[in-house]
Amino acid sequence: AQKITQTQPGMFVQEKEAVTLDCTYDTSDPSYGLFWYKQPSSGEMIFLIYQGSYDQQNATEGRYSLNFQKARKSANLVISASQLGDSAMYFCAMRPAITSGTYKYIFGTGTRLKVLA
Amino acid sequence: GAGVSQSPRYKVAKRGQDVALRCDPISGHVSLFWYQQALGQGPEFLTYFQNEAQLDKSGLPSDRFFAERPEGSVSTLKIQRTQQEDSAVYLCASSLVLRSSGGETQYFGPGTRLLVL
Repeated sequence: AQKITQTQPGMFVQEKEAVTLDCTYDTSDPSYGLFWYKQPSSGEMIFLIYQGSYDQQNATEGRYSLNFQKARKSANLVISASQLGDSAMYFCAMRPAITSGTYKYIFGTGTRLKVLA
Repeated sequence: GAGVSQSPRYKVAKRGQDVALRCDPISGHVSLFWYQQALGQGPEFLTYFQNEAQLDKSGLPSDRFFAERPEGSVSTLKIQRTQQEDSAVYLCASSLVLRSSGGETQYFGPGTRLLVL
């Protein structure tokens, strides 16, 4: 069965410091995509970053980077130079390749990040 | 540049009542997803449309849930004979196309918060 596990229900980080949010996944599909989303208190989900299972390099998008370790099935999100506006809920998600016959995104339970001034 | 819109934003229903939730995706977006998000949880996939075709409805929890997208743009999620366990936020997301193993950016709407009494 496919599953996303986020073991940190809550995290604190000091403003301007870096923080790592953990994500491990379980799948038997050879091809899949991994995603991170941010959900502020307003409720709207915001796409942050994507990593394909066959990508050789870790994905980066501005202050966000994804530490992808395929053998360990982990896809941790690193936020550098944290800002107060980064305080939100963060979700890790996975989608298998379309060739698997499903279009189902699977989300973790999330990590609530609080950035301290 | 309008984003994804959903209506109503809040809905209170009495148990047994039928409800209809509307999603207006970004113009030109081929893919449309519906999710159910319970309090404190990550979104759970309900169904996926590619244009007007419903290609995956594996996440619909029961035959009381029905979704349609008859002209390939606006979509409606209908819940018949609502139960208290249906109380959740219902999120809609759209994207241009689905790439084989991800990489597409999903744009989420603000959600409809459904409370069944």
